[in-house]
Amino acid sequence: SQQGEEDPQALSIQEGENATMNCSYKTSINNLQWYRQNSGRGLVHLILIRSNEREKHSGRLRVTLDTSKKSSSLLITASRAADTASYFCATDATGFQKLVFGTGTRLLVSP
Amino acid sequence: GAVVSQHPSWVICKSGTSVKIECRSLDFQATTMFWYRQFPKQSLMLMATSNEGSKATYEQGVEKDKFLINHASLTLSTLTVTSAHPEDSSFYICSARVGTHQETQYFGPGTRLLVL
Repeated sequence: SQQGEEDPQALSIQEGENATMNCSYKTSINNLQWYRQNSGRGLVHLILIRSNEREKHSGRLRVTLDTSKKSSSLLITASRAADTASYFCATDATGFQKLVFGTGTRLLVSP
Repeated sequence: GAVVSQHPSWVICKSGTSVKIECRSLDFQATTMFWYRQFPKQSLMLMATSNEGSKATYEQGVEKDKFLINHASLTLSTLTVTSAHPEDSSFYICSARVGTHQETQYFGPGTRLLVL
């Protein structure tokens, strides 16, 4: 399977704490994307990082990419209860948006 | 931002019947649409890629005669699950991309299918 792996599978933190999720993948990529999914809903695109980028920020989100290790991390700072969701990384090997999703991290942020 | 809708949002059907799921891009023209399948507490698995006016490209292991995809216009793609069985019960999600070089996909809200 080409599917990426994410860890942890589940993460439970308190509001205000930071949450870090890691993603490992298997093939060379054009870009890597992070998505969020609320329970039983569709996906929301969070951030895209290209293979020639090492770090990217968007609001409270920080994404890093290490292509030598084939890994990425998503950091959510100052978490809120509304951040409770599943987070998926997805890799695009060709640049034509054929995405391979990771296994996901279920984040629970308690008030 | 771009909006993608799916209809129906959920459907329950008897084994052996066929079910059609629609995916529409509401405020943009989608040159490419993707269909995914997601089992409970699992990740999304790409089923097929459809381009307007051409045949869909199916991923390995996905039966094209079982999952019929039609991308008749730049705003509509349909997935028909033919002769549905209980093992076809799943969450089906579509997404759409604007232009060949657009890096972002916009996802629909998903359709939950339960086959009895």
